[in-house]
Amino acid sequence: EAAVTQSPRNKVAVTGGKVTLSCNQTNNHNNMYWYRQDTGHGLRLIHYSYGAGSTEKGDIPDGYKASRPSQENFSLILELATPSQTSVYFCASGETGFSDYTFGSGTRLLVI
Amino acid sequence: QQKVQQSPESLIVPEGGMASLNCTSSDRNVDYFWWYRQHSGKSPKMLMSIFSNGEKEEGRFTVHLNKASLHTSLHIRDSQPSDSALYLCAASTTEGADRLTFGKGTQLIIQP
Repeated sequence: EAAVTQSPRNKVAVTGGKVTLSCNQTNNHNNMYWYRQDTGHGLRLIHYSYGAGSTEKGDIPDGYKASRPSQENFSLILELATPSQTSVYFCASGETGFSDYTFGSGTRLLVI
Repeated sequence: QQKVQQSPESLIVPEGGMASLNCTSSDRNVDYFWWYRQHSGKSPKMLMSIFSNGEKEEGRFTVHLNKASLHTSLHIRDSQPSDSALYLCAASTTEGADRLTFGKGTQLIIQP
């Protein structure tokens, strides 16, 4: 069954440390996305990608980098984690054009 | 500024009743709307999409769209406790078809 798998499910990081969140999809979708979800803010787009080698800035890219080394994998990198980046992060994949997304199960990140 | 506004923030409906949720975009370029449902602790899953003026029905769920006012509404009849969830409205433009902008959501509680 096609799926989007995120790892880790939970992560505790220290302020100033580097954090890498990973996402793998078996949907063969061209597009992949990273969102964060916070109470009172809904889902906000951080970075997205149209295919291997491409990354685009979303609405709130500051403090985050992204990497798409292959069709299947899309990573979100926090070079210098801050407590304000404590959140639930969702990865999603979608077809090109007007397509619904398939979301992963989320990564709960706590930066202390 | 949030481009997709949802109301109400929360809604309590008795079991068997009708739930009505609203969503409006402030971006005149928006053409397409989606509704996602997210149960507590889970990832969002697409419920319905609507691209044309009018109404679309799937089982107990009906979606309306008025493109002139950029307003969509989701109606759930014969509400069940399992319908209790966060309902997210998302929108995209023709040019930005690959990017969904989400609202903050409506928390729906169905009281047995």
